[in-house]
Amino acid sequence: AQSVTQLGSHVSVSEGALVLLRCNYSSSVPPYLFWYVQYPNQGLQLLLKYTTGATLVKGINGFEAEFKKSETSFHLTKPSAHMSDAAEYFCAVSDRVGGATNKLIFGTGTLLAVQP
Amino acid sequence: NAGVTQTPKFRVLKTGQSMTLLCAQDMNHEYMYWYRQDPGMGLRLIHYSVGEGTTAKGEVPDGYNVSRLKKQNFLLGLESAAPSQTSVYFCAGGQTYEQYFGPGTRLTVT
Repeated sequence: AQSVTQLGSHVSVSEGALVLLRCNYSSSVPPYLFWYVQYPNQGLQLLLKYTTGATLVKGINGFEAEFKKSETSFHLTKPSAHMSDAAEYFCAVSDRVGGATNKLIFGTGTLLAVQP
Repeated sequence: NAGVTQTPKFRVLKTGQSMTLLCAQDMNHEYMYWYRQDPGMGLRLIHYSVGEGTTAKGEVPDGYNVSRLKKQNFLLGLESAAPSQTSVYFCAGGQTYEQYFGPGTRLTVT
């Protein structure tokens, strides 16, 4: 069965520092992988996705993630944090077992705090 | 385009009351989903629909019912609300695995 693990429910970085949010997945079939961001009192917004092709994917707001099959990982990075990056981030994997439902399985989220 | 909208934004219910949450989308999405979000638990799928007239159970369906009579609307019903259903509810729609989310409904059951 597919699953997602996000290491670290809370991450704090200084403004201008590297952001690294970790995501590991388990999937019996080639996965599609997603990162979503949730700002306070809002819905989730897609940051980036990996389906096929290039394993380094770039998203909005300067974020990128690399699909590493050997490590079953899809970590999210940003070279320089900005105060506006403070939000909760969710990793998700496609649930491709059981027919064409297009379901996603979400991790429990990582709350990113950015210190001035 | 409004995208995915949810009504209402906030609601307080007493135990045993019923209510319906409405999700509407103008993006012609075939697939629609209802999630609940609770602290430390991420998003959990309640019910979903793969097309007009279809519904299916997700991970946490107990206590909820859904209907998809029109392609653009997906309704989530609570027949007899319980305090354990206090949560933030999100609707999402999509045509592929990429899902587009509504702004959420914050429900409190006292």
